[in-house]
Amino acid sequence: NAGVTQTPKFQVLKTGQSMTLQCAQDMNHNSMYWYRQDPGMGLRLIYYSASEGTTDKGEVPNGYNVSRLNKREFSLRLESAAPSQTSVYFCASSEYPPSGYSGLTNEKLFFGSGTQLSVL
Amino acid sequence: SQQGEEDPQALSIQEGENATMNCSYKTSINNLQWYRQNSGRGLVHLILIRSNEREKHSGRLRVTLDTSKKSSSLLITASRAADTASYFCATDNLWQGGSEKLVFGKGTKLTVNP
Repeated sequence: NAGVTQTPKFQVLKTGQSMTLQCAQDMNHNSMYWYRQDPGMGLRLIYYSASEGTTDKGEVPNGYNVSRLNKREFSLRLESAAPSQTSVYFCASSEYPPSGYSGLTNEKLFFGSGTQLSVL
Repeated sequence: SQQGEEDPQALSIQEGENATMNCSYKTSINNLQWYRQNSGRGLVHLILIRSNEREKHSGRLRVTLDTSKKSSSLLITASRAADTASYFCATDNLWQGGSEKLVFGKGTKLTVNP
């Protein structure tokens, strides 16, 4: 199984350019997430989609937009890239939210291999 | 703001030794998870412990949870060079009966020397 697939793996942008990071999962998961990872900062949640048709802001949403295209796909868009958005971006999915809606708990996240983005 | 904070930030040990990493968090949780990240890769789930559990084992991993102190520890016994990675704790922040997301700490970078 492919699991969570992110594209591209590497990208260099100039300030002001736009781009979309793609993420797809083949595990029929309901919830999907976008995190960014910066040195010394750990992972910070940008946006998430607890279920198909819903999206919500995370800790650091400014400068980003997301689209839950369907149950499989969750894209992250940078409309006007800035050097502060240089980071490694990870997409993740889980069958259900960590302890939400369904009342189920114990949900673990499955991560993609990341996109290394540099904004010059 | 980030929920979990791992300690130490970096740990270097010899193969065969035990490695202990700690995580402290701020608010009530349903469960706490530990993840491993090898260099240049995504995170991989290791183990989950619920708020009503005090200890959990998985192979060479032992996790403890002390909700009164809002802290957890991850012990890796008989470490191997392949255990070299960064380790993160993650919590779901309880509010109004549920939580939709995991919040990760900054991680502990473990180096196991052959």
